[in-house]
Amino acid sequence: DIQMTQSPSSLSASVGDRVTITCRASQNISSYLNWYQQKPGKAPNLLIYAASSLQSAVPSRFRGSGSGTDFTLTISSLQPEDFATYYCQQSYTTPPTFGQGAKVEIK
Amino acid sequence: QVRLVESGGGVVQPGRSLRLSCAASGFSFSGYGMHWVRQAPGKGLEWVAVIWYDDGSKKYYADSVKGRFTISRDNSKSTSYLQMNSLRAEDTAVYYCARHYDSSGHWHFDLWGRGTLVTVSS
Repeated sequence: DIQMTQSPSSLSASVGDRVTITCRASQNISSYLNWYQQKPGKAPNLLIYAASSLQSAVPSRFRGSGSGTDFTLTISSLQPEDFATYYCQQSYTTPPTFGQGAKVEIK
Repeated sequence: QVRLVESGGGVVQPGRSLRLSCAASGFSFSGYGMHWVRQAPGKGLEWVAVIWYDDGSKKYYADSVKGRFTISRDNSKSTSYLQMNSLRAEDTAVYYCARHYDSSGHWHFDLWGRGTLVTVSS
């Protein structure tokens, strides 16, 4: 199975900050990488697919980049509603696997 | 309204069985593959199983549930099922169903249900 490793596992940031979360795959997955946001008690919500494509209705402050084994999710200006846990997921092979999550907390 | 609604969760003793359902509405269910993804309390997301969109003959499972869980679908009822047998304490989780969406060869989970909690405890 492909292992996905996110860093950091948690971070504290303020409203307006630029936030970057990285995701590393244990092997080359090209651009088969998706990002999800999950708020407490809620289902995950798709943000980015195919490494850099913004899902419909997702604010443009979210940006995905990378290919191969290294990927990045950037939030350009953190908003109050962005405090949540973020997961990367590879869709290169079955089984699909997720990173362990990155929790973004209020500083 | 496009949505998925899970049901069937509850408290069950180790070794017993439970069947989860995922009812779809607002879209052409038969045209989509359907997944189950679970999340143990306070933990991350773990993929469980997928059934493809056609006659449902193609199914894949996580190693952790292979041989114990069975995924199925009834396109006439727009519903996917997860039959869980020989349940273990480590199967305790919120179980989500999620729709498989393919965009030019890149697939993702584009629609999720709210989840149903399964607790395996004596």
